[in-house]
Amino acid sequence: KQEVTQIPAALSVPEGENLVLNCSFTDSAIYNLQWFRQDPGKGLTSLLLIQSSQREQTSGRLNASLDKSSGRSTLYIAASQPGDSATYLCAVNDYKLSFGAGTTVTVRA
Amino acid sequence: SQTIHQWPATLVQPVGSPLSLECTVEGTSNPNLYWYRQAAGRGLQLLFYSVGIGQISSEVPQNLSASRPQDRQFILSSKKLLLSDSGFYLCASGPNTEAFFGQGTRLTVV
Repeated sequence: KQEVTQIPAALSVPEGENLVLNCSFTDSAIYNLQWFRQDPGKGLTSLLLIQSSQREQTSGRLNASLDKSSGRSTLYIAASQPGDSATYLCAVNDYKLSFGAGTTVTVRA
Repeated sequence: SQTIHQWPATLVQPVGSPLSLECTVEGTSNPNLYWYRQAAGRGLQLLFYSVGIGQISSEVPQNLSASRPQDRQFILSSKKLLLSDSGFYLCASGPNTEAFFGQGTRLTVV
């Protein structure tokens, strides 16, 4: 069974600092990995999708890397802003989506 | 891209009452469909998934059931709700490539 772990569970940083969020998974036989954002009481918004054949994916201030062989992905958010405050979820697709528990980010103005 | 519609957005139901949550998908055909539950302060738990009409797989034993009467319709049901059924229910489509989620239904069983 796929196990997905996200570290840290929570993160508080001053505005402007770069964010590094980690995700690890136990079974490397995956199709892709997806990072989501969830605001309190809301659904999930897709941020980045990395196919298993890719090493990284970028969108604006967001960059996600994937090392399938070691079972790790990292989400980098550059120059954080208060609007980046949310919970970030990593999901691994091995036909079913398995989620980590998330990292709750607070960016202080 | 795909759009996932879920309703209602919030629901308060008494213990022992029935439940029906509906999810419909636009922008794709023959999707894999998923029901997830998120308990307060916890991660997402996969409840059911479906690869086609009438095909349902259950991930955890529970008080809930799912049905897929049409290609782009997925229904979550219960005959008698328990307090432990409270949570945030999310429908998803995919994930052959990118997964898409609805805005969720917050269910409170009282």
